[in-house]
Amino acid sequence: AQSVTQLGSHVSVSEGALVLLRCNYSSSVPPYLFWYVQYPNQGLQLLLKYTSAATLVKGINGFEAEFKKSETSFHLTKPSAHMSDAAEYFCAVSPNMIKAAGNKLTFGGGTRVLVKP
Amino acid sequence: KAGVTQTPRYLIKTRGQQVTLSCSPISGHRSVSWYQQTPGQGLQFLFEYFSETQRNKGNFPGRFSGRQFSNSRSEMNVSTLELGDSALYLCASSLGDEARITEAFFGQGTRLTVV
Repeated sequence: AQSVTQLGSHVSVSEGALVLLRCNYSSSVPPYLFWYVQYPNQGLQLLLKYTSAATLVKGINGFEAEFKKSETSFHLTKPSAHMSDAAEYFCAVSPNMIKAAGNKLTFGGGTRVLVKP
Repeated sequence: KAGVTQTPRYLIKTRGQQVTLSCSPISGHRSVSWYQQTPGQGLQFLFEYFSETQRNKGNFPGRFSGRQFSNSRSEMNVSTLELGDSALYLCASSLGDEARITEAFFGQGTRLTVV
């Protein structure tokens, strides 16, 4: 079974500082990986996805993530935090077997980001 | 183009009752997945429907059920509600193309409170 671990349920960063959110996955084969953001009382918005093309993936709002197979990691970064980045972020994994996967996502526990002025 | 629409946004029900939640996917999307989000358990996959058939199922009791109509709209039903069913229920739609993984778009959710 696949699983996702997000290290740190809360992260506090200063405006303009680096944002680093950690995600490690467990899977017998390289899966598809996603980062989603959730603002209060909202659904989830896709930031970026890894589907076995480039290992460095660029997403929306200046975020990017690097897939590292040797470390089974898919950490999310943004060079300079903005106040608008305050939200909860979820890493998710989907099986790399299309007909079995459908659209079944397994989510990590989430990391809530607080941005200090 | 219109996004994923979930109705109602908020719902209060009494223990033992049943509830039906609705999800209208993005036009042209054939896959609809449902997730439960709670502070204690996080985001958990309930089930996925594709072309009116359940294609994947999570580990939830049989009180949780769903269906999909020919226009891809989906409903989920929870019978004999328990206090622990209080949660944000999210619906996600995608093309559901079996040849590749496609992006899932989420609705704003239905906040269910069981009292």
